[in-house]
Amino acid sequence: DIQMTQSPSTLSASVGDRVTITCRASESVHKWVAWYQQKPGKAPKLLISEASSLESGVPSRFSGSQSGTEFTLTISSLQPDDFATYYCQQYNNYSWTFGQGTKVEIK
Amino acid sequence: EVQLLESGGGLIQPGGSLRLSCEASGFTFSNYAMSWVRQAPGKGLEWVAAIRDSGETFYADSVKGRFTISRDNSKNTVSLQMNSLRAEDTAVYYCAKESANSGSYPVDYWGQGTLVTVSS
Repeated sequence: DIQMTQSPSTLSASVGDRVTITCRASESVHKWVAWYQQKPGKAPKLLISEASSLESGVPSRFSGSQSGTEFTLTISSLQPDDFATYYCQQYNNYSWTFGQGTKVEIK
Repeated sequence: EVQLLESGGGLIQPGGSLRLSCEASGFTFSNYAMSWVRQAPGKGLEWVAAIRDSGETFYADSVKGRFTISRDNSKNTVSLQMNSLRAEDTAVYYCAKESANSGSYPVDYWGQGTLVTVSS
């Protein structure tokens, strides 16, 4: 299976900070990577698909990028609603794999 | 409005069986692949199984041979039959709709989740 290595596992930041989360795929997944946000007790929410395509209704402060097998989620200016756990996912084929998650905490 | 309503979770002894169901509404169910994704308490997301609109099925290695995913397009439901359950199957199980049809796509809608606890 393709492994998605996500870092960091925890991130402490303040409102207004620029935040970057990275996922590295163990082999090529082309552009087939998505990013999700999950809050406690809730289902995940799709933020970005195809590595950099922002889903409808998702604030423009979220962005995704790709360099080879390294994928990045950036929040340009962290807002109070953004404190949550974020997961990357490769969907190049079944079986899907998710990164381990990054918890964004208040500093 | 897309809705996915899971049912069937609960407490089950190791080695037992359980069947989860997910009733879908608000979209043309037969046109979309559906998946089950689980999350163990305090842990990350793990894909479990998928069924394409064609009926083709896929499974994670961890459940292959024990779990069976199926769909009934006449009832807009997707099910997960879980046999030979183990303690490590304890998790919240989410029903998930893919964002496009034919192929492998990310999840744009999730159910609320149903908790399966495997314990004696």
